[in-house]
Amino acid sequence: AQSVTQLGSHVSVSEGALVLLRCNYSSSVPPYLFWYVQYPNQGLQLLLKYTTGATLVKGINGFEAEFKKSETSFHLTKPSAHMSDAAEYFCAVSVGGGYQKVTFGTGTKLQVIP
Amino acid sequence: DTAVSQTPKYLVTQMGNDKSIKCEQNLGHDTMYWYKQDSKKFLKIMFSYNNKELIINETVPNRFSPKSPDKAHLNLHINSLELGDSAVYFCASSQDSGTFSTDTQYFGPGTRLTVL
Repeated sequence: AQSVTQLGSHVSVSEGALVLLRCNYSSSVPPYLFWYVQYPNQGLQLLLKYTTGATLVKGINGFEAEFKKSETSFHLTKPSAHMSDAAEYFCAVSVGGGYQKVTFGTGTKLQVIP
Repeated sequence: DTAVSQTPKYLVTQMGNDKSIKCEQNLGHDTMYWYKQDSKKFLKIMFSYNNKELIINETVPNRFSPKSPDKAHLNLHINSLELGDSAVYFCASSQDSGTFSTDTQYFGPGTRLTVL
């Protein structure tokens, strides 16, 4: 069974600083990996996803993530944090073909300090 | 236009009552989901339907019964509500590419259920 672990339930960064949100996955087969963002009182929205091909994935709002098989990681980064980036971020994993469920991590709340 | 909509947005009810949450998507997607997000923000899938057929049925009490009258709707009915059912319930949908392992899911705004 697949799983994801998000290190740090809360991360605080200063406005303009680098954002790094950590995600490690566990899977016995090649995974598909996602990052979703949840703004207060809203549903989740896809930031980016890795399925196959290029391991560096660029998403919306200047975010990107790199799939590193050797480290079983899919960390999310953004060079310069903006106040509007304050939200909850979820890493997720799925595996296999057909109708397999997506398993979400426990989320990381990003606080941006002015 | 709202892509995935849910009603109601808030639902406060007494233990033992029966309630329903409705979900509609206007994206033309084939697959719809129900998720439960608890107070610690943990998001867990409950059900998934593809073209009105039940595809995923996680370990959920029988008190929860999804119903999909058509591809665009997936409702959730809950019988005999318990305190532990208090959570935010999210509906989502995705376009069926043949494997929804890789499909992008589009989430509704959530329904906050409070059981007193």
